[in-house]
Amino acid sequence: AQSVAQPEDQVNVAEGNPLTVKCTYSVSGNPYLFWYVQYPNRGLQFLLKYITGDNLVKGSYGFEAEFNKSQTSFHLKKPSALVSDSALYFCAVNRRRAGRRALTFGSGTRLQVQP
Amino acid sequence: SAVISQKPSRDICQRGTSLTIQCQVDSQVTMMFWYRQQPGQSLTLIATANQGSEATYESGFVIDKFPISRPNLTFSTLTVSNMSPEDSSIYLCSVAFGQGEEKLFFGSGTQLSVL
Repeated sequence: AQSVAQPEDQVNVAEGNPLTVKCTYSVSGNPYLFWYVQYPNRGLQFLLKYITGDNLVKGSYGFEAEFNKSQTSFHLKKPSALVSDSALYFCAVNRRRAGRRALTFGSGTRLQVQP
Repeated sequence: SAVISQKPSRDICQRGTSLTIQCQVDSQVTMMFWYRQQPGQSLTLIATANQGSEATYESGFVIDKFPISRPNLTFSTLTVSNMSPEDSSIYLCSVAFGQGEEKLFFGSGTQLSVL
């Protein structure tokens, strides 16, 4: 079975400091990995994905994530946090089953950026 | 990308009643997914809806409780039947895009409260 773990319920960081939101996964075969962000009262928005190739992927709003196969991790990072980055972040893995394509989501990490 | 319109955005319903949630996409898509996000929790896939065939439900979800229609390639409905307070959640419609249909786009969600 495929699974995603986000070990931190909440991450607090001061504006201007670098941020990291952690994600580890378990999946058979090669994973497709994603980060989504959810702002209050809004649906999820795609941030970035890893399918293949360069282990460091860059996404929207200055976010990036590093795929580490040996550690089965896909941590989300940003060099300098903004207050507007405060939101709920979900890591997800793509699984294929009987021709369907659906995502398995982590439990989410709330990022709070303090001014 | 896709623009996904979901309505209603929120509703308060009485126990025992049913609510139908509509999802309209601005382009034709093969696969549509319905997710549930219970308060403070992650997203759980309810079912996958393909046009012209019956929806495929995940473990723990049944058609009698969550009937789904998919009459064409741009529209789907999810009905939450015989509601109880435990059904209070955010319900999200999503569609798959990308080279391998691996990236999901989400509607803004329907926040359902059952009294």
